[in-house]
Amino acid sequence: DQQVKQNSPSLSVQEGRISILNCDYTNSMFDYFLWYKKYPAEGPTFLISISSIKDKNEDGRFTVFLNKSAKHLSLHIVPSQPGDSAVYFCAASASSGAGSYQLTFGKGTKLSVIP
Amino acid sequence: DTEVTQTPKHLVMGMTNKKSLKCEQHMGHRAMYWYKQKAKKPPELMFVYSYEKLSINESVPSRFSPECPNSSLLNLHLHALQPEDSALYLCASSQAPGPGGLVGYTFGSGTRLTVV
Repeated sequence: DQQVKQNSPSLSVQEGRISILNCDYTNSMFDYFLWYKKYPAEGPTFLISISSIKDKNEDGRFTVFLNKSAKHLSLHIVPSQPGDSAVYFCAASASSGAGSYQLTFGKGTKLSVIP
Repeated sequence: DTEVTQTPKHLVMGMTNKKSLKCEQHMGHRAMYWYKQKAKKPPELMFVYSYEKLSINESVPSRFSPECPNSSLLNLHLHALQPEDSALYLCASSQAPGPGGLVGYTFGSGTRLTVV
């Protein structure tokens, strides 16, 4: 049973336009949501996070929106650049106790930004 | 220092070998994790250490044995692995969340393990 779903395996966007990556979740106990960017054979690189008590968080070109009632979040990248081409993972965290947080990942969306 | 360092980057081992993966961070994070990622799949949690104590073991076979010698180091000892254990093994560390969310949940570059 997938608790975090990224239903679009791939997305192509023109350079300079907006990229919108979507993520849905089923577990209402998730308290934080994170987005990571990943290249093959490398570890995930943290992009941005949002607490479940907020509906928007912004960091430079990256904005994450959270709709708790719909159990949906999205990552907006504006403007998109060719260097943004990678696989993007949505992750949700639940506290494991004693200050640790286990992440559950979606399957990822491969973003291609076309020059 | 804002990195999680993993060694080795690549490892090839036979099914009868014993080897260890190492992970190090100097960010003062008190939670450290091992994840496993197979090709074209998302990372999956294996172990969680909090304040140097094992707090979660996600039903991982005993041929994987984690160890946390101190707050900066995490090891994963491997023994009698199977070819299906071949994967990218990722170490991560995290700090307490802040206003920006769970910022700083940092992954290393991983160890690409091949079992022959």
